[in-house]
Amino acid sequence: AQKITQTQPGMFVQEKEAVTLDCTYDTSDPSYGLFWYKQPSSGEMIFLIYQGSYDQQNATEGRYSLNFQKARKSANLVISASQLGDSAMYFCAMSPRNTDKLIFGTGTRLQVFP
Amino acid sequence: DGGITQSPKYLFRKEGQNVTLSCEQNLNHDAMYWYRQDPGQGLRLIYYSQIVNDFQKGDIAEGYSVSREKKESFPLTVTSAQKNPTAFYLCASISLRAGGKGYTFGSGTRLTVV
Repeated sequence: AQKITQTQPGMFVQEKEAVTLDCTYDTSDPSYGLFWYKQPSSGEMIFLIYQGSYDQQNATEGRYSLNFQKARKSANLVISASQLGDSAMYFCAMSPRNTDKLIFGTGTRLQVFP
Repeated sequence: DGGITQSPKYLFRKEGQNVTLSCEQNLNHDAMYWYRQDPGQGLRLIYYSQIVNDFQKGDIAEGYSVSREKKESFPLTVTSAQKNPTAFYLCASISLRAGGKGYTFGSGTRLTVV
């Protein structure tokens, strides 16, 4: 079965520090996409970063990087230099066979404190 | 600006009533999706449509219905058969050429049964 697991219901980080949000996935497809989304309290889903299963390098987007370990089936999100505005829910998601459908994890609530 | 508009932002339903949630996009995206989000859970797929006048059930379609008469519009009706409709509903769209990378989400509708 295809599944995304996020084992950290909540995380705290001090402003300006780095934080890693964990994500493991389960799929037997050789081709898939992995995503991270941010959901602030207002509710909209904001795309952060994408990693394709065949991508050789870890994806980076500004302060966000994805630590992709294919053999371990993990796709952890690293946020560097945390800001107060980073406080939100973070969801890991997968598109099996790089189709248009997304499978989501249960999310991690990140709180950044001064 | 292009985007997805969901309305209303908040919706209250009495027991036994049908209600319709609106989702409109002006991105010229082919595919549209409805997701449900419950507290402490990720998003679950209700229905999706990849082409006008065609739609498919997602993982939790029971108690819901949709239509896709226009490319821009994908309304979701929550019927009285849905026993626990209180949730946050998100609409999304993509261009199928972009695969999973091109998702755009609306800002959501929060439905409460009173």
